[in-house]
Amino acid sequence: NFMLTQPHSVSESPGKTVTISCTRSSGSIASNYVQWYQQRPGSSPTTVIYEDNQRPSGVPDRFSGSIDSSSNSASLTISGLKTEDEADYYCQSYDSSIIFGGGTKLTVL
Amino acid sequence: QVQLVQSGAEVKKPGASVKVSCKASGYTFTGYYMHWVRQAPGQGLEWMGWINPNSGGTNYAQKFQGRVTMTRDTSISTAYMELSRLRSDDTAVYYCARGLDGRDDYNPPFGYWGQGTLVTVSS
Repeated sequence: NFMLTQPHSVSESPGKTVTISCTRSSGSIASNYVQWYQQRPGSSPTTVIYEDNQRPSGVPDRFSGSIDSSSNSASLTISGLKTEDEADYYCQSYDSSIIFGGGTKLTVL
Repeated sequence: QVQLVQSGAEVKKPGASVKVSCKASGYTFTGYYMHWVRQAPGQGLEWMGWINPNSGGTNYAQKFQGRVTMTRDTSISTAYMELSRLRSDDTAVYYCARGLDGRDDYNPPFGYWGQGTLVTVSS
């Protein structure tokens, strides 16, 4: 099976833009959809991006997703950062079984 | 509205088994695969497997094969996950999760999650 590698942590100031990467170790990132979740402490995860770049209803358009075949990675971009965006973010994909990335702690300071 | 309500916290001794339930409401239970995901304290998410509530068919992550059993009772719209031969590193919050409407069953975006069940394994 493959791995999805995320940075352990990222930090940025309110109002700025941050991008979280998710790199697939083997196989093409484009071969299976990538989903992204936000998890605040003590809560269940919630979907912020699905099928690479789709936003569920209720998720603000400050959140966007993309994939880059040249780097074999997916990215979650959050613009106009708010303190409420501070959370852990996980990517998810698939190749005969579901794989999650290790998670990225976003600090908005 | 879709709701997944899980059973309460459990404390188990090493070597024992635990069975966690997940009661679904607000949709047709047999229409969507139910997945199970766990999260050890301070760690990331780990997929355990799924059950097809319609057929009872299952698919388990290789790591858990031989130790996990997923079942369902369609009469009460409830899915179950039983983990046997518990070890201390099985201490985690266990979630049931369902995909968003109309999405792939095998790699769904999990739009609905239970509240989580903390299983503590300690002697």
